[in-house]
Amino acid sequence: GQNIDQPTEMTATEGAIVQINCTYQTSGFNGLFWYQQHAGEAPTFLSYNVLDGLEEKGRFSSFLSRSKGYSYLLLKELQMKDSASYLCAVWTNNAGNMLTFGGGTRLMVKP
Amino acid sequence: GAGVSQSPRYKVAKRGQDVALRCDPISGHVSLFWYQQALGQGPEFLTYFQNEAQLDKSGLPSDRFFAERPEGSVSTLKIQRTQQEDSAVYLCASSAYRDTYEQYFGPGTRLTVT
Repeated sequence: GQNIDQPTEMTATEGAIVQINCTYQTSGFNGLFWYQQHAGEAPTFLSYNVLDGLEEKGRFSSFLSRSKGYSYLLLKELQMKDSASYLCAVWTNNAGNMLTFGGGTRLMVKP
Repeated sequence: GAGVSQSPRYKVAKRGQDVALRCDPISGHVSLFWYQQALGQGPEFLTYFQNEAQLDKSGLPSDRFFAERPEGSVSTLKIQRTQQEDSAVYLCASSAYRDTYEQYFGPGTRLTVT
């Protein structure tokens, strides 16, 4: 089976940097996603990593280590609107193209 | 362009009632997924369609859950004899091709069973 772990909640200050970690154990690994989900809204795509290393996209960066089964999402220059849940999801090729999600990390940004 | 839409957005059902949740994927998208998201949790996979073919239904929690996509576009998730543990947000996602990773999510239907 699949196992994906991420912290339940984090708090950070506006303007700061926060790192949200995700560890996974899975077979048939095709890549790892990060999604942002505001309360009551659809998850929206943030990043996709399939190779080891850091992918940078504006204020958001995502890192992957396949050998360690580890990823993190780095958010810089935090803004109040970044308060949301951040979902780590693994894409496997075991059956179709399903995503297996972690429980999500609820980030609260305080002034 | 239009994204994935779902209806109704909110549904309250009494225990034992049947419900039907609709998903309109992005036009032309081949793949369609249903996920169940409990409060404070991540989405959990229910079932997957490629065009009209249901290729994976391993995530459906019981035989009370049934999904169809008869013409390869709109999909319906039906839950029979709803129970309180069925209360959740039901998310639909679509992707353009069979082998693409880009899943676009709809806003979900929040089902509350009383």
